[in-house]
Amino acid sequence: LAKTTQPISMDSYEGQEVNITCSHNNIATNDYITWYQQFPSQGPRFIIQGYKTKVTNEVASLFIPADRKSSTLSLPRVSLSDTAVYYCLVGDGDDKIIFGKGTRLHILP
Amino acid sequence: EPEVTQTPSHQVTQMGQEVILRCVPISNHLYFYWYRQILGQKVEFLVSFYNNEISEKSEIFDDQFSVERPDGSNFTLKIRSTKLEDSAMYFCASSESDNEQFFGPGTRLTVL
Repeated sequence: LAKTTQPISMDSYEGQEVNITCSHNNIATNDYITWYQQFPSQGPRFIIQGYKTKVTNEVASLFIPADRKSSTLSLPRVSLSDTAVYYCLVGDGDDKIIFGKGTRLHILP
Repeated sequence: EPEVTQTPSHQVTQMGQEVILRCVPISNHLYFYWYRQILGQKVEFLVSFYNNEISEKSEIFDDQFSVERPDGSNFTLKIRSTKLEDSAMYFCASSESDNEQFFGPGTRLTVL
């Protein structure tokens, strides 16, 4: 499984766009990039998944450059309820998920 | 929207006792998982289950642990002879394929 590196924590303000970047220099050809979100005392929740270029859904966008060695999760116009831990995962769909420490995002009013 | 449910939400037990944590996965899902998260630490994979058998397990999942799908809806994690270090949130997850996993709300296990 490719190792990922992401900031330990980030602060932002309500209404701002938040971008969380994840490095995965050893990503393999078959690997996808997946982001999960975890609120305090809750289970992780799938946000978005991509292979290359850009993916957008109702929650977030995922930007993946051509070399795929990094990816950026973009959360538009965040609110206080977006305060959570965000996990970047890289893998080929192997059944288990190996979580890192994630990025603790704190949204301020 | 269908969701994974878990019971109980909180379980308190004495060291050495057996506990059974219960999960009801999403009905059409075929892959089932257990994870745990010790307070303040990472979410850790325990075991995956498919076609009525364990497909993969981590080093944490030793002989103290077992899983079962006793009927068509429930998926259980049994911990025999609990230890203090078993105190954690235990999350059940299910997926339709080997892709997006849906997590339950968790059971907080406290071993005294």
